[in-house]
Amino acid sequence: AQSVTQLDSQVPVFEEAPVELRCNYSSSVSVYLFWYVQYPNQGLQLLLKYLSGSTLVESINGFEAEFNKSQTSFHLRKPSVHISDTAEYFCAVSLTQGGSEKLVFGKGTKLTVNP
Amino acid sequence: DAGVIQSPRHEVTEMGQEVTLRCKPISGHNSLFWYRQTMMRGLELLIYFNNNVPIDDSGMPEDRFSAKMPNASFSTLKIQPSEPRDSAVYFCASCGWRGDTQYFGPGTRLTVL
Repeated sequence: AQSVTQLDSQVPVFEEAPVELRCNYSSSVSVYLFWYVQYPNQGLQLLLKYLSGSTLVESINGFEAEFNKSQTSFHLRKPSVHISDTAEYFCAVSLTQGGSEKLVFGKGTKLTVNP
Repeated sequence: DAGVIQSPRHEVTEMGQEVTLRCKPISGHNSLFWYRQTMMRGLELLIYFNNNVPIDDSGMPEDRFSAKMPNASFSTLKIQPSEPRDSAVYFCASCGWRGDTQYFGPGTRLTVL
């Protein structure tokens, strides 16, 4: 069965510091991988995704994630965070079932950026 | 496009009452998902539909929960009777094809007293 592990439930950092949010997955088949972000009192929004091709994917707001098949990881990084990056981040892996697809989400990592 | 629309945004009800949550997916999307989010359990998939047909309802916690999708543009999640432990934020999401982004609605915050 596919599963997603986000090792850190909370990550506090100072503004302009680098950050890495870790995500490991387990799957016996090829997967699609996603990072979603949830700002306070809002729904989840896609941050970036890996479907195929280049293992390094980037978002428009400076985040990037690298798919590492040998380590079954998809860690999210940003070289310099802003106060506005404070949010909860969810890693997810796709699971195809009955011709349809659903996402399996990790427990989430709360990123708090302090001034 | 207006995105995924959910109603109501907030619902406060008393234990034992019936609660109906509504969702309108993005036009053209053929998969619809219902999630529940709580502090204790995180984000849980309750049920999802493909082309209006329920594919996996293994996440539905009890028989008190039921979901329908009578057509491609509307779905409901019903709780009858409601209990305090059902208090959570319920999200609806839709997507078009495998690997496509799931687009989430703003959620319905349910409080059962």
